[in-house]
Amino acid sequence: DIQMTQSPSSLSASVGDSVTITCRASQGVSDYLAWFHQKPGKAPQSLIYAASTLHSGVPSRFSGSGSGTEFTLTIISLQPEDFATYYCQHYYTYPYTFGQGTRLEI
Amino acid sequence: QVPLVQSGAEVKRPGSSVKVSCRTSGGTFGSYSIAWVRQVPGQGFEWMGRINPILDLVNDAPKFQRRVTLTADESSGTAYMELRFVRPEDTGVYFCARDRGVGSAPDSWGQGTLVTVSS
Repeated sequence: DIQMTQSPSSLSASVGDSVTITCRASQGVSDYLAWFHQKPGKAPQSLIYAASTLHSGVPSRFSGSGSGTEFTLTIISLQPEDFATYYCQHYYTYPYTFGQGTRLEI
Repeated sequence: QVPLVQSGAEVKRPGSSVKVSCRTSGGTFGSYSIAWVRQVPGQGFEWMGRINPILDLVNDAPKFQRRVTLTADESSGTAYMELRFVRPEDTGVYFCARDRGVGSAPDSWGQGTLVTVSS
């Protein structure tokens, strides 16, 4: 199975800040990489697919980049609703696997 | 309108089966497939498999192949995930998610179904 490793595991920031989260794959996944976030007790919300394409309705302060084994999620001008746990997931080959999560705290 | 609505929480004895449903809004799958993902404490997210209701095509993860059955009822737009021979370590939240099939990522998720396995 492809291992997905996120860093950092947690991150503290303030409203208005910009942050970057990294996701590394143990082998190349091309651009078959998705990002989503989750708040406690809630369902995940998809943000990005194909490494850099925003899902419909996702604010433009979110952006993704990368290909192969290294990917980044950047959020500029953090809003209160952005504080959540962020996950990456590859969908290159079965089984699809997930990063362990990055908790973004105020 | 919420795209996917899942069935309620379940409590099961070890060795029994659990069946979770996922109903699409409007009662139709359209061109979407339904994937199943679970979130288990201490293990994070695990992708269990996907069903294409139109083609009746199932892709499932090797870890779950012998215990999971994915089905879909096109007439009601409802997908089902049955997990057999459950054990305490299967306790977690089970999500359905909508995607476009092989090579695509989910765009919407159900609200999740808590499954508790306990004697």
